[in-house]
Amino acid sequence: GAGVSQSPSNKVTEKGKDVELRCDPISGHTALYWYRQRLGQGLEFLIYFQGNSAPDKSGLPSDRFSAERTGESVSTLTIQRTQQEDSAVYLCASSLAGSRYEQYFGPGTRLTVT
Amino acid sequence: TQLLEQSPQFLSIQEGENLTVYCNSSSVFSSLQWYRQEPGEGPVLLVTVVTGGEVKKLKRLTFQFGDARKDSSLHITAAQPGDTGLYLCAGVRGNTPLVFGKGTRLSVIA
Repeated sequence: GAGVSQSPSNKVTEKGKDVELRCDPISGHTALYWYRQRLGQGLEFLIYFQGNSAPDKSGLPSDRFSAERTGESVSTLTIQRTQQEDSAVYLCASSLAGSRYEQYFGPGTRLTVT
Repeated sequence: TQLLEQSPQFLSIQEGENLTVYCNSSSVFSSLQWYRQEPGEGPVLLVTVVTGGEVKKLKRLTFQFGDARKDSSLHITAAQPGDTGLYLCAGVRGNTPLVFGKGTRLSVIA
């Protein structure tokens, strides 16, 4: 079956521009997560969607970052007025309800802000 | 403050050697997951340990959860170049998002 897909796989943008990253989770997975991974680092939690509950936005680093999810399907992560420090791989994962379940990760979007 | 500390941060060994990497915390977790991430890909789950003191084996990999459910270790026997990657531990606490460590980057040289 299809896994988690993300697009684009690579994005190069100029400082100050807005970007949108897309995540298609595994069908039937009610939980969806966004993480940021800087070069050579571990995963930094950004935001968590669980069904129809209000998302957990506690990991978003600034108000330039936002994310939406349509029902239990596609999610988009938007970064406004990008800065060079936003350069990283942005990973999306989905799982059955709750963090105790295995998370299935997409391949990530590599964002480079010049 | 990093909730889950992983050590060592980097490890480079020769094929055939044994190694242990650690995941430590002052917090208690209901379970702990280990993932491996290869370059250009997302992490993939290796194992979940749930019970304090639990030991799970996956071929040449042995995972142990500490009795107090605050720490875990991963031991690899006779490492192979295919074991190269970033090993991440992640702690589960209720329904809050997973807490990831920064990972141990392992390089196995043939």
